[in-house]
Amino acid sequence: AQTVTQSQPEMSVQEAETVTLSCTYDTSENNYYLFWYKQPPSRQMILVIRQEAYKQQNATENRFSVNFQKAAKSFSLKISDSQLGDTAMYFCAFMKLPDDTGKLIFGQGTTLQVKP
Amino acid sequence: KAGVTQTPRYLIKTRGQQVTLSCSPISGHRSVSWYQQTPGQGLQFLFEYFSETQRNKGNFPGRFSGRQFSNSRSEMNVSTLELGDSALYLCASSLYPHYGYTFGSGTRLTVV
Repeated sequence: AQTVTQSQPEMSVQEAETVTLSCTYDTSENNYYLFWYKQPPSRQMILVIRQEAYKQQNATENRFSVNFQKAAKSFSLKISDSQLGDTAMYFCAFMKLPDDTGKLIFGQGTTLQVKP
Repeated sequence: KAGVTQTPRYLIKTRGQQVTLSCSPISGHRSVSWYQQTPGQGLQFLFEYFSETQRNKGNFPGRFSGRQFSNSRSEMNVSTLELGDSALYLCASSLYPHYGYTFGSGTRLTVV
């Protein structure tokens, strides 16, 4: 069974600085996708970034980028130029395709506070 | 473009009762997944539907069931409610699952 581990329950960062959230996962599969989701106090989960396991190039979305290390099974999220609106809980998630379509396996989450 | 809509937003039920939660996916999305979120267990997958068929199911007792209609709208039902069923229930939909899922704001269920 696949597992996802986020070892940092809470983190804080000053506005405009850079922060990295860690995520490791365990799988014997080769075809899978990794995601970072953000859940602000409004509770709606928002997709931040996605990574295909077969792509070596790290995904980027504006201020958000990942460091995907497939051999180490590591998938960290870097947030540059942190903004107050980035304050939220961040979840790392894994999905195996095609067998487990729709079944996201989430880590326990990291609460990020951006301080002014 | 409307997002994923879940109703109701909040619900209070008594132990032993049953409850039905509703989810309207984004128009055109045929894959709908349900998750239970609790402080202790985190986010846990319940089930996924595609074209009215359940394709995947998580490790939940048979009291938890779901269905999907021909218009892709989905419902989940919990029978014989227990105090431990108190949680935020999230629905998510996708056109192409490998692109990720869009989540609704959830239904907060409290069992008393």
